[in-house]
This record gives sequence, C-alpha cells and structure tokens, in this order.
Amino acid sequence: GAVVSQHPSWVICKSGTSVKIECRSLDFQATTMFWYRQFPKQSLMLMATSNEGSKATYEQGVEKDKFLINHASLTLSTLTVTSAHPEDSSFYICSARDGTSGSGEQFFGPGTRLTVL
Amino acid sequence: KQEVTQIPAALSVPEGENLVLNCSFTDSAIYNLQWFRQDPGKGLTSLLLIQSSQREQTSGRLNASLDKSSGRSTLYIAASQPGDSATYLCAFGGADGLTFGKGTHLIIQP
Repeated sequence: GAVVSQHPSWVICKSGTSVKIECRSLDFQATTMFWYRQFPKQSLMLMATSNEGSKATYEQGVEKDKFLINHASLTLSTLTVTSAHPEDSSFYICSARDGTSGSGEQFFGPGTRLTVL
Repeated sequence: KQEVTQIPAALSVPEGENLVLNCSFTDSAIYNLQWFRQDPGKGLTSLLLIQSSQREQTSGRLNASLDKSSGRSTLYIAASQPGDSATYLCAFGGADGLTFGKGTHLIIQP
C-alpha cells in the first residue's frame, strides 16, 4: 500500500527558531500534498495544498510567510514553521495523493508533534 | 463552506456490541468520503474510502455507507472489541481536498 513518512516525529524548540518538517511519499509519486494541523482535542484543519513545482495554496487564516511550504519533487514536500512561538505548538500531519490513481484517496503520514517553549 | 458533523461526539459501550457512528455533510458535490481511525497522539489510519459513485464499502467488521441525497454516511462496527477504542474521523472529499469532522471518541469496555 501507499506509504507516507514524516520527519521528525516530534520536535521541541525554543521560541523564535525555525523548524522544518519533511513529508515523503515512499512508494508512489505525489502530485499533490496537503498539510494539516491538529490542536488538542480538535479535528484536523487543512493548512495548505501544494502541487509539485508550483506555489502552495493556503487556507484562509494561515500565514504563508510563517508556514513555508516547498514541494520540489514528486516525493517530497517540506513545511517550515518560521520564528515559531508557543501558539504554534500543535500536531502537524501531511498527506499525499497519488497522481496516477483516479480514486483521489489521500494517504497520511504519522504526524509531527511540535512543542515550542 | 463545507461542514462535517459527527454524532455522537463520544460513545462508551461494552465489548461485543454492534455500533453505528454517524457523519453528515452539507455539500452535495462530493468526490469521496473517507473514514479514519486515530489513536491518542498518533496519526491517521485509513479505514474505508467510498467513492461518490458507490453506496457502501466493507472491510472485515467495518461497513461504511454513503447517501449523497441526504448528505450522510454511517460507519458500522460489528462485534466491537476493546482494541477498537479510538477516535473515528470522517472526512468529506471535495474539489478542495478533505474536510474533517470533529470525530467520535469511542471506548469499548472489556
């Protein structure tokens, strides 16, 4: 089956630092990748959609200059949280959609827990 | 804006019972509907995917149905087990990607 990995699985950083999270599709080419955020006891909220080779599309209320998304290849997308603050502490989950499949199914990574001190 | 509602928000039952989890959505322009399981502090495990042209999907003790006309999907869990304890999320798949409900927190008592 389709496998998506995320790295790191958890990270603790000081306020003001930048953190990069990687999302990789291991056995398929992901023309589209999605980044979600989940606060405690809340559901997943879509942050942005990225297509390989083009700029990401951000959801309303998500600062594109704070959450930098790069989708430079068909198997890798990165999310960089710039100048992180405690309110950015959350569970970040990526998903990838197989461009060759007509199902539209998204495959999810295991998530990255970010804690900003 | 698409809204996805899941009922109940929480459910606790003895093992062995058959369960129905409900999901409703407001937009009829649906591509697919997915049901996921999420264990505490973990990512998502995909359970079932129903395409808009389908009425239901089955996997083991799980059965999911989709009724586009009423904007509803149900997840049926047969013969529940303590290992089924988790949060179950439904997600509406539209042109803009997935919209998630808030989930049903399920506890199966041994």
